[in-house]
Parts: sequence; C-alpha cells; structure tokens
Amino acid sequence: GAGVSQSPSNKVTEKGKDVELRCDPISGHTALYWYRQSLGQGLEFLIYFQGNSAPDKSGLPSDRFSAERTGGSVSTLTIQRTQQEDSAVYLCASSLNQRTTYGPRDEQFFGPGTRLTVL
Amino acid sequence: DAKTTQPNSMESNEEEPVHLPCNHSTISGTDYIHWYRQLPSQGPEYVIHGLTSNVNNRMASLAIAEDRKSSTLILHRATLRDAAVYYCILSDMRFGAGTRLTVKP
Repeated sequence: GAGVSQSPSNKVTEKGKDVELRCDPISGHTALYWYRQSLGQGLEFLIYFQGNSAPDKSGLPSDRFSAERTGGSVSTLTIQRTQQEDSAVYLCASSLNQRTTYGPRDEQFFGPGTRLTVL
Repeated sequence: DAKTTQPNSMESNEEEPVHLPCNHSTISGTDYIHWYRQLPSQGPEYVIHGLTSNVNNRMASLAIAEDRKSSTLILHRATLRDAAVYYCILSDMRFGAGTRLTVKP
C-alpha cells in the first residue's frame, strides 16, 4: 500500500491481558514513531526507531510497554498486563530519513491508528 | 511536556483567512517549528515546517517571529475541510493539545 498501515484497527481486551499492535511503515522509510492519543487529548510521543534501533524510548510510560522493529520495516508495540488507563488510540508514523538534532528531516506520515479499549 | 502553547480553540468563517498562533518561548537555536493537523477520525497530517524564514506551500504559510519565540500558521482562505485540530510542535515532536479550528459556512 501507499501509506502507513496499522493493525488491528480496533482492539478490545480485558485488564491484565497482553496486546500487540502492528505498524507497517511506508516502504523505504527509515524512521518510525509511535504515539498514543487519549480521548480528547493531544498526541503523546512514545518511541522513535531509526532502522531497527530505538535511540529515543523516553516516552514509554512504564516497563509494561515495549516495542521492536525488524528488517527496518514492520514494528510491533507490546503492552503487557494492560490497565484501563492504557485505553487510547495508538498511532504510528514513518518518515523517509532519520530524525536529527533539528527534528525530522522529512515530514511524518501517520497511519490510521489502533483504538485500544481495556475493559 | 510540550514546549509550545496554543489557544484551545478558534473559529473562522469560510473563505476568510485564518491566523493560528503558537508560542514557543523556550525554543532552541536548532529547533525547527512544525505544524500538523488532525481531521476528525484521522491521523495527523503534515502541514508545513520552518526554521527562521517564512515558508509557503500549497496548504498554508508559516510566519516566524524574528526572535523565533512565536509563529503563526496562516490559512489564506479557510474551507470547511480545514476544520481540524492544528498542532504546533518543535523538533522533539512532543505534541500538545493543539488548536481546534471550527470553520463556519
């Protein structure tokens, strides 16, 4: 596809269960970002990948959150032992080149998001 | 925490210009100023970015104050499709709550 895709589009889970959210960036994009957006709020930065490494994990809210990226392409965000406060839309974005001290060298393209609901 | 401050909401009439302000008083010399917007039920989309000089593209113009502590996104003729939340962010990519723009017909 031409854009960033995310799956699933919706996920309902029970408190305490683990969930995996997937992001397929635009082909050839080396930088990948995860954000989350709670209802009515702005975006909260979670983690940034350059290739398969994550030079900035500073936004991950707790050690229950982890992410990996393989083959410089697909990324998975894993939330262990989900809590109700984890309910949000999780957004993935990719850009062609790496983030620099000056910020993203290129515009970020966002996926449609995964809406996570923890009951 | 976001390093930018924006009004929570603004209203505009269709086909009139809109000036969306953003304050970033703690901006560093290497920070770019980025603007994104988020239409209802969609992910954010890039609008424009700049460093020091004013910038123009097909979507909007960005006017940057000489001291770089504030900037203004200018939509020259607002349409109903421009109704969205507009985010002003710096290079750390920390989004705040943005400005919700309502466009009245």
